[in-house]
Amino acid sequence: AQSVTQLDSHVSVSEGTPVLLRCNYSSSYSPSLFWYVQHPNKGLQLLLKYTSAATLVKGINGFEAEFKKSETSFHLTKPSAHMSDAAEYFCVVSEGDDKIIFGKGTRLHILP
Amino acid sequence: GAGVSQTPSNKVTEKGKYVELRCDPISGHTALYWYRQSLGQGPEFLIYFQGTGAADDSGLPNDRFFAVRPEGSVSTLKIQRTERGDSAVYLCASSVYAPRNTEAFFGQGTRLTVV
Repeated sequence: AQSVTQLDSHVSVSEGTPVLLRCNYSSSYSPSLFWYVQHPNKGLQLLLKYTSAATLVKGINGFEAEFKKSETSFHLTKPSAHMSDAAEYFCVVSEGDDKIIFGKGTRLHILP
Repeated sequence: GAGVSQTPSNKVTEKGKYVELRCDPISGHTALYWYRQSLGQGPEFLIYFQGTGAADDSGLPNDRFFAVRPEGSVSTLKIQRTERGDSAVYLCASSVYAPRNTEAFFGQGTRLTVV
């Protein structure tokens, strides 16, 4: 069975410093992995996705994630945080043509 | 419309009542998903349609919950004998085909409050 674990429920960083949101997955086969962002009172938006092509995936708003099979990880990073990045971030896994499963989310706080 | 549309955006109902939540997916999207998001939690999978059929309904919590998609487009999530614990935001998403290589687009959700 597939699952994702987001290791931090809350992350706080200062504006202009790097962001790291951690995600580990469990999957029987080669998974597809996604990061979604949810701003307050807004819908879920896809940041980036990994589907067995390049292991380093670039997404919108300067975010990127690296698929590491040996570590079963798909951590989300950004070199320099912006105030507008404050939101809830979800790591998501899909296996084959099966349903997509969400992690519990990490709330990112940006300190001025 | 351009995106996934969910109606109503808010629904308040009394305990024990029946409710229907509607989802209009993006035109041409064959896959449709329902999720439930409680406060402070990630979206919890309920059911997934490919076309008219439910490909996976393993997330429906009990037999009070049912969903249909009779013509392979609009879907309705039906909840009978609502309970206070059913209060949550119900999210609908659609994708062109299966989720593996395609993005799932989410609606704004229906906030259900059972009083």
